[in-house]
Amino acid sequence: DIQMTQSPSSLSASVGDRVTITCQASQDIRNYLNWYQQKPGKAPKLLIYGGSNLETGVPSRFSGSGSGTDFTFTISSLQPEDIATYYCQQYDDPLITFGQGTRLENK
Amino acid sequence: EVQLVQSRAEVKKPGESLKISCTGSGYIFTTHWIAWVRQVPGKGLEWMGIIYPDDSNTRYSPSFRGQVTISADKSLSTAYLQWSSLKASDTAIYYCARLARVFRAFDIWGQGTTVTVSS
Repeated sequence: DIQMTQSPSSLSASVGDRVTITCQASQDIRNYLNWYQQKPGKAPKLLIYGGSNLETGVPSRFSGSGSGTDFTFTISSLQPEDIATYYCQQYDDPLITFGQGTRLENK
Repeated sequence: EVQLVQSRAEVKKPGESLKISCTGSGYIFTTHWIAWVRQVPGKGLEWMGIIYPDDSNTRYSPSFRGQVTISADKSLSTAYLQWSSLKASDTAIYYCARLARVFRAFDIWGQGTTVTVSS
């Protein structure tokens, strides 16, 4: 099974900061890597699919990069509404795995 | 509007059975896989399994195989997650999610069903 290592597990940042989260796969997953945002009490929301493609309606301050085993998720300038937990997710037919999550807090 | 609507919250006792549902609308239900995802309070997301409603082809995470049953009724555009004998450790929020064809991302999520198992 493919394991996903997401880091950091938590992060404190201020409004306007650049925030970076990484996800590493134990095997090559090409670009089958997606990123989600989850706010308390809400369902997750898809932000980035295929490693670097912005989902429709998602602000352009969110971006993703990487392929193979190493992936990066970036918020270019943190906004107050971005305080949430972020997850990566990989698809390796027939199995699906989520990263452990990164809790983003306001410094 | 494309959406998945899940059944209401449930409170059950250990040993009881349960079946929760996820109904799709606004798209052709039979053309997308539907997954179930567990979230224990305060913890991360865990993929449980997935079903293709058109032919009920089902795949399970090794962690959940034998613990739950996933099914679907395409005539009702509804997927189900069921337990035959609940345990306290099944207490969690359960989400259904639609698997997009492109890059296999979960593009539409249900609102979640909270299941509480307590004596």
